Amino acid sequence: DTAVSQTPKYLVTQMGNDKSIKCEQNLGHDTMYWYKQDSKKFLKIMFSYNNKELIINETVPNRFSPKSPDKAHLNLHINSLELGDSAVYFCASSQEGMNTEAFFGQGTRLTVV
Amino acid sequence: RKEVEQDPGPFNVPEGATVAFNCTYSNSASQSFFWYRQDCRKEPKLLMSVYSSGNEDGRFTAQLNRASQYISLLIRDSKLSDSATYLCVVKAGADGLTFGKGTHLIIQP
Repeated sequence: DTAVSQTPKYLVTQMGNDKSIKCEQNLGHDTMYWYKQDSKKFLKIMFSYNNKELIINETVPNRFSPKSPDKAHLNLHINSLELGDSAVYFCASSQEGMNTEAFFGQGTRLTVV
Repeated sequence: RKEVEQDPGPFNVPEGATVAFNCTYSNSASQSFFWYRQDCRKEPKLLMSVYSSGNEDGRFTAQLNRASQYISLLIRDSKLSDSATYLCVVKAGADGLTFGKGTHLIIQP
């Protein structure tokens, strides 16, 4: 059983399109995250959801919007895709508290052409 | 700005050698510290948490110096399978994990 699963694994799309990436965790964790890993391999947090409330929103463009229908899901919607959005997007989840491990999904490799 | 700084490497090390990585963090409110490992085209996975008193897990030893805001990872008797990118990670309060850019390790036979 995959603890954190995200789909699709690969996504190739044209500039200007709108796309979504889905994420589900079956660990019963309270907090879910979206991270972006750019071409230089730098992992940067985009969003964090705790019990369906947004608690972190880094300075990402408002074309990116997280949607959490329930505690086990955190989907990422991206509008008007740009070339610079090409990256690997990782979903993760963790339990609340210090020293708690974050589990990552396998990543979605987004290529905007 | 909350940052975690690491030497990106690559570190080219012969099999069986000992190798050490360091990182520094800027957020003095950081409370939790970790080393994650990321293999090529894979997701990051927890290698070990780092505790104030230092901790060891097999061939891996992690140290934390809060006064200097410095974290280290020592790998003894390195194996070919240790080749990966090692990510220094800190957490402060309700913030998510803040990652360093990673140190790339290559173990050579």
